[in-house]
Amino acid sequence: DAKTTQPNSMESNEEEPVHLPCNHSTISGTDYIHWYRQLPSQGPEYVIHGLTSNVNNRMASLAIAEDRKSSTLILHRATLRDAAVYYCILRERTGANNLFFGTGTRLTVIP
Amino acid sequence: GAVVSQHPSRVICKSGTSVKIECRSLDFQATTMFWYRQFPKQSLMLMATSNEGSKATYEQGVEKDKFLINHASLTLSTLTVTSAHPEDSSFYICSASEVRGTSNEKLFFGSGTQLSVL
Repeated sequence: DAKTTQPNSMESNEEEPVHLPCNHSTISGTDYIHWYRQLPSQGPEYVIHGLTSNVNNRMASLAIAEDRKSSTLILHRATLRDAAVYYCILRERTGANNLFFGTGTRLTVIP
Repeated sequence: GAVVSQHPSRVICKSGTSVKIECRSLDFQATTMFWYRQFPKQSLMLMATSNEGSKATYEQGVEKDKFLINHASLTLSTLTVTSAHPEDSSFYICSASEVRGTSNEKLFFGSGTQLSVL
């Protein structure tokens, strides 16, 4: 059911930008792209979401490809608290609108 | 921001007993709540979707008689693991959505419940 592909793991140095990629080649025109992150032993936390245009909030930026088949979550300055598993998810407009989680990307931030 | 409270955070029980996990939306009305299960080093697996006032919809392979879900109010959903066995030991997470049928809305997650069945 998960329709996104992410690298299993990535590393970043502290205070450097991080670009987390996600492929969703089967995305439909009405699917929203959501990003959540999960710290150890906690529930997931909302990061950002978008449909077509790039989005910015206080946590991150979301860059969406023109054909919407891929997107990139950008953390502008990684901190140790950003170490988590990041999930890129498509939220379907049809059906129950639930979120199916893929394997996610485990981000390690190096001090 | 919206908060989802999940209790208990950790529970240890004997095999054969039942365990109830509560999920509350504290500052919004959750028309839809979702229950997930997560095994160590794995991703979240959707178990069921519950809409207030109606029966839950279970994902394939999830036993509805074993995992009882009640969503009697707009702020509370409960998951009861009946006759728990060691293989039910897992991290259970709930999430809530304020608006039904809108994929633009973000989900809010509880902090999870670590169930250990001895």
